[in-house]
Amino acid sequence: QVQLQESGPGLVKPSETLSLTCTVSGGSIRDYFWSWIRQPPGKGLEWIGYIYYSGTTNYNPSLKSRITISLHTSKTQFSLKLSSVTAADTAVYYCASGFRDGYTLDYWGQGTLVTVSS
Amino acid sequence: DIQMTQSPSSLSASVGDRVTITCRASQSITTYLNWYQQKPGKAPKLLIYAASSLQSGVPSRFSGTGSGTDFTLTITSLQPEDFATYYCQQTYSTPPDTFGQGTRLEIK
Repeated sequence: QVQLQESGPGLVKPSETLSLTCTVSGGSIRDYFWSWIRQPPGKGLEWIGYIYYSGTTNYNPSLKSRITISLHTSKTQFSLKLSSVTAADTAVYYCASGFRDGYTLDYWGQGTLVTVSS
Repeated sequence: DIQMTQSPSSLSASVGDRVTITCRASQSITTYLNWYQQKPGKAPKLLIYAASSLQSGVPSRFSGTGSGTDFTLTITSLQPEDFATYYCQQTYSTPPDTFGQGTRLEIK
């Protein structure tokens, strides 16, 4: 059973870079796609992107210019960096994983709220 | 871009009722359709994948049907723990609008 835990700052200033890490336990980093999803307060889900252990990534086109998702196999972690944030990036950020593709998400972290504010 | 439209956006039902939620795609997505359940303050949970396959551990009162553009999630004999928001998700093509807008299922 894969378990995921997000970590990172809960407050980020406008124009700065949001950085989150997801720590994986209970599963091999090589067997899954590793994804990030976000949910603005009171709103629906938005898929951000995924990375596969080979290093292949796929990003949401609407965020692509600002996103980097990286895999840290030695630490069984993966990370999200979102640059030039604005208030519109305020959301609960979830890390998730799936073995079928980068979109079907079998396992989820509990989520972490990131607020963009000065 | 493929748009996913769920209906209704909210509904009220009673314990023991049979409930159906609909998801319509703006173009054919064959059976590349998943359903998730999300309870307040919690992460979503995968219920159904590939339109009709029940995720391991999910009760059999949940079922999914459909192909092409029209899909349904049915919950037979609603239980108290089923009151939540349900999202459909297409995986036929990449985002931006991968998920439906959600259907909130409330207790009548």
